[in-house]
Amino acid sequence: EAQVTQNPRYLITVTGKKLTVTCSQNMNHEYMSWYRQDPGLGLRQIYYSMNVEVTDKGDVPEGYKVSRKEKRNFPLILESPSPNQTSLYFCASGTNSYNEQFFGPGTRLTVL
Amino acid sequence: KNQVEQSPQSLIILEGKNCTLQCNYTVSPFSNLRWYKQDTGRGPVSLTIMTFSENTKSNGRYTATLDADTKQSSLHITASQLSDSASYICVVGGGTASKLTFGTGTRLQVTL
Repeated sequence: EAQVTQNPRYLITVTGKKLTVTCSQNMNHEYMSWYRQDPGLGLRQIYYSMNVEVTDKGDVPEGYKVSRKEKRNFPLILESPSPNQTSLYFCASGTNSYNEQFFGPGTRLTVL
Repeated sequence: KNQVEQSPQSLIILEGKNCTLQCNYTVSPFSNLRWYKQDTGRGPVSLTIMTFSENTKSNGRYTATLDADTKQSSLHITASQLSDSASYICVVGGGTASKLTFGTGTRLQVTL
């Protein structure tokens, strides 16, 4: 089944404890992207990747890192999480940036 | 600043009725405009994507229109069903479409 998977789906952590949210797609998509969704603000793009080893900042990249070492995986790294990074995170992929994006199920992160 | 504004914020309609959701944007340069449906707690699902040269596109009971001159789009839902209850998000891609600007969505509730 063609899909985008994210792990973990739920995470509660404490300030400053490094964490990684994984994202994987099995559709051989070149384009991948991370978003956060907060009430009243909608979805905002964190980082995106046009292809392997090519990443760029979205609208809200501060406090996040990403890597794209292989086409199927695009992990989101929070080196030192803070409470303002408490949010619902979505990973998405597409054949390219112009076409339909397929979203993962989301990761709900709480930073205490 | 690139912005996407949607109206109304929320809407309640009776099953079987039609409705129209609005989207105004100020994104420049413009690449494409997308409508997504997001069920509560789940990732968005693509409904339509339109480029500058397209002024209407349908997906079943969903019909999107685009007026690139006035920078307005609408999503018309025909013969609504209970399963249409969701948030509908307007998304505009700028330039290479790699950077997306999201509206905050219209929350639609379809009732008996």
